[in-house]
Amino acid sequence: KNQVEQSPQSLIILEGKNCTLQCNYTVSPFSNLRWYKQDTGRGPVSLTIMTFSENTKSNGRYTATLDADTKQSSLHITASQLSDSASYICVVRNTGNQFYFGTGTSLTVIP
Amino acid sequence: GAVVSQHPSRVICKSGTSVKIECRSLDFQATTMFWYRQFPKQSLMLMATSNEGSKATYEQGVEKDKFLINHASLTLSTLTVTSAHPEDSSFYICSARTSGRLDTQYFGPGTRLTVL
Repeated sequence: KNQVEQSPQSLIILEGKNCTLQCNYTVSPFSNLRWYKQDTGRGPVSLTIMTFSENTKSNGRYTATLDADTKQSSLHITASQLSDSASYICVVRNTGNQFYFGTGTSLTVIP
Repeated sequence: GAVVSQHPSRVICKSGTSVKIECRSLDFQATTMFWYRQFPKQSLMLMATSNEGSKATYEQGVEKDKFLINHASLTLSTLTVTSAHPEDSSFYICSARTSGRLDTQYFGPGTRLTVL
């Protein structure tokens, strides 16, 4: 069964600290994996996209990793800011053009 | 990156009325658009897949006669909530799918529907 699981479900960190969000998937055959950030009351915004051959990709303070063998991805946020408070959603696409959504990680950054 | 807009961003209506939400891909053509519903603190739930020029494909449990979808052009899809009821109050988000190797979805900003 094609599934995408994210952990933790929620996370609270102090401003300035780093954190790592996890995404494990069983989607096959794999095409790409994208991390989205969704602010409350807004649509998701793409952060990074990972294809099969990519292991690490950075976008500012966001760094995504992908291990296609173990079917795991992580999103590392460096030097967190209050504006990082949001839900982070992992979406995996298979080669059949189907998209599978994780349930998201709710991140709260406190001063 | 690709831009998707939605209109309106918020709408309040009386029970029994119909509401139309527009989703536009502003700088690319989208043969496929998706409509999602999201309740507070929950994940996105796919309602239907809309293909340009053909009938939408609805997910199980979604009433096609209640949620009318029209995808008349490569840049516009509309969702009409007919005879809305308070339980239809939700956050509705559309996305448009790009084609190519990095085939992915770009999301609109969402529409907050409140049915009184």
